[in-house]
Amino acid sequence: GESVGLHLPTLSVQEGDNSIINCAYSNSASDYFIWYKQESGKGPQFIIDIRSNMDKRQGQRVTVLLNKTVKHLSLQIAATQPGDSAVYFCAENSRRDDKIIFGKGTRLHILP
Amino acid sequence: ETGVTQSPTHLIKTRGQQVTLRCSSQSGHNTVSWYQQALGQGPQFIFQYYREEENGRGNFPPRFSGLQFPNYSSELNVNALELDDSALYLCASSWTGREQYFGPGTRLTVT
Repeated sequence: GESVGLHLPTLSVQEGDNSIINCAYSNSASDYFIWYKQESGKGPQFIIDIRSNMDKRQGQRVTVLLNKTVKHLSLQIAATQPGDSAVYFCAENSRRDDKIIFGKGTRLHILP
Repeated sequence: ETGVTQSPTHLIKTRGQQVTLRCSSQSGHNTVSWYQQALGQGPQFIFQYYREEENGRGNFPPRFSGLQFPNYSSELNVNALELDDSALYLCASSWTGREQYFGPGTRLTVT
């Protein structure tokens, strides 16, 4: 069946270090992937997306990598800051039905 | 440009009651999707509306229904509330259905 999951439920990172959040997906029909950030009491905030015809995309301090061979997605955050503390969700979408499937999330905890 | 807004922010209902949640989409967006997010979980897709018609539905019973209006705002209605319906209900709008922008959510508590 379709599923998007995360390898680590909680990630603790020293302030200033780089963070890497990983995600596995199983729907081979998915052709669009998104990372969302959700802070306490707020809705998910779009961070970055990538289409299946790409394997890397960079934004401001964030990079998403897509490995279609092993169905793996990762989010890299450079120079992690206290404001990066949140739950991060990967999500997938296929043109077939337009619904977005979310994983369970990884909590990113920043150590001072 | 106005973002996605939802009302109310919090709501407490009793089991068996009915509830209506509202969402105003971001300016220029014609597609609205609704999600249910239980505590500690990722959002689960309920359904999507495009140009006032349902355009996809997740694994939710018929007592979850919705509407989209000509101005692209939307309502989520839930009948015969159950305790397990307690969750954060999120609305997201988009132009294509893909790059979705979320509102702050409505926290529903069913007692």
